[in-house]
Amino acid sequence: AQTVTQSQPEMSVQEAETVTLSCTYDTSESDYYLFWYKQPPSRQMILVIRQEAYKQQNATENRFSVNFQKAAKSFSLKISDSQLGDAAMYFCAYRGRGETSGSRLTFGEGTQLTVNP
Amino acid sequence: NAGVMQNPRHLVRRRGQEARLRCSPMKGHSHVYWYRQLPEEGLKFMVYLQKENIIDESGMPKERFSAEFPKEGPSILRIQQVVRGDSAAYFCASSPAGGDYGYTFGSGTRLTVV
Repeated sequence: AQTVTQSQPEMSVQEAETVTLSCTYDTSESDYYLFWYKQPPSRQMILVIRQEAYKQQNATENRFSVNFQKAAKSFSLKISDSQLGDAAMYFCAYRGRGETSGSRLTFGEGTQLTVNP
Repeated sequence: NAGVMQNPRHLVRRRGQEARLRCSPMKGHSHVYWYRQLPEEGLKFMVYLQKENIIDESGMPKERFSAEFPKEGPSILRIQQVVRGDSAAYFCASSPAGGDYGYTFGSGTRLTVV
């Protein structure tokens, strides 16, 4: 079974600074997707960024980028120029492409990010 | 495009009552997924449905929980004879097919069992 681990329950960053959130996962599959979701106090789950495992190039979305290390099964999220609106719980998620794993997201436990003015 | 609509936003039930949670997927999305989030935890997969079919219910508790996605109308997650341990946020997500590009989530229903 796939597992996703976020080892940092809480992180904080100063406004305009850069912060990196860690995520590791365990899988026996070779093809899969990885996601970062943001959950602000409103509770809405918002997709931040997506990575396809067969693509070596790291995904980037504006101030958000990932460091995807497939061999190490690591998928960290870097937030540059942090803004107050980035404060939220961040979840790393895995989705396989196999018949049994391809229908669901497996989430980590989350990292609560605080942005200090 | 109204997104994924879940209602009610908050639901309070006494132990032993039934809870019905509704989810209308995004327009054009035919795949629906239900997740449960216990306090201080990540989301856990419950069930994956397409119109009139349950595709994967491996995350559903064996008893008291059921889900449907009829040909017409919203998807329903039904919890019979609720217990305090059912208190959680229940999220619905939808995708056009398979979810390769990620799912669109609703805002969730917070169920409180008193």
